Amino acid sequence: EAGVVQSPRYKIIEKKQPVAFWCNPISGHNTLYWYLQNLGQGPELLIRYENEEAVDDSQLPKDRFSAERLKGVDSTLKIQPAELGDSAVYLCASSLRGSSGANVLTFGAGSRLTVL
Amino acid sequence: QKEVEQNSGPLSVPEGAIASLNCTYSDRGSQSFFWYRQYSGKSPELIMFIYSNGDKEDGRFTAQLNKASQYVSLLIRDSQPSDSATYLCAARGYNFNKFYFGSGTKLNVKP
Repeated sequence: EAGVVQSPRYKIIEKKQPVAFWCNPISGHNTLYWYLQNLGQGPELLIRYENEEAVDDSQLPKDRFSAERLKGVDSTLKIQPAELGDSAVYLCASSLRGSSGANVLTFGAGSRLTVL
Repeated sequence: QKEVEQNSGPLSVPEGAIASLNCTYSDRGSQSFFWYRQYSGKSPELIMFIYSNGDKEDGRFTAQLNKASQYVSLLIRDSQPSDSATYLCAARGYNFNKFYFGSGTKLNVKP
């Protein structure tokens, strides 16, 4: 079974430029998450999708960040324009919705963004 | 106050010793608890999860949960240099799909 796939793995851009990250979750996982991880910190939720619906986007800076999950599978996270403080690792994760205690989060390899 | 708190470390233990990693959480409604290991430059990978009070063992790893004290721990027996990483504690809230992460504890296992 393929894991969570993210691209690109690395991206270097100049400030004010746009950037987009793509994520393909584990097949059958209906919940998809985008997390931001700064160096030395734990992952912080940006947005959570259940199927196509963004059910928790309270931490997404909507003035410059946007996300979509068309057809409830792949997702794209966009930043426009990027700022120096956006340099971080953007992690995508997925899980299978359910009431089981075994509902675990599986992460992709992450996309490391450097804004110059 | 963060939902999940961890000591950032670093925690240094000699090879072969027991490493003890701790975590507290603030939401009494949290249902399940997870330990992830994250090597430098890599993404978090699940070690184990626990949702019942008491201990859960998996190989060299034991997770302990005390819901009354809102405390979770991870014990690593016979620590190896390859265990050197940052360990992230996470809690899953009453909403089954919302996960909160601590900032991680860096573990160094010295040969």
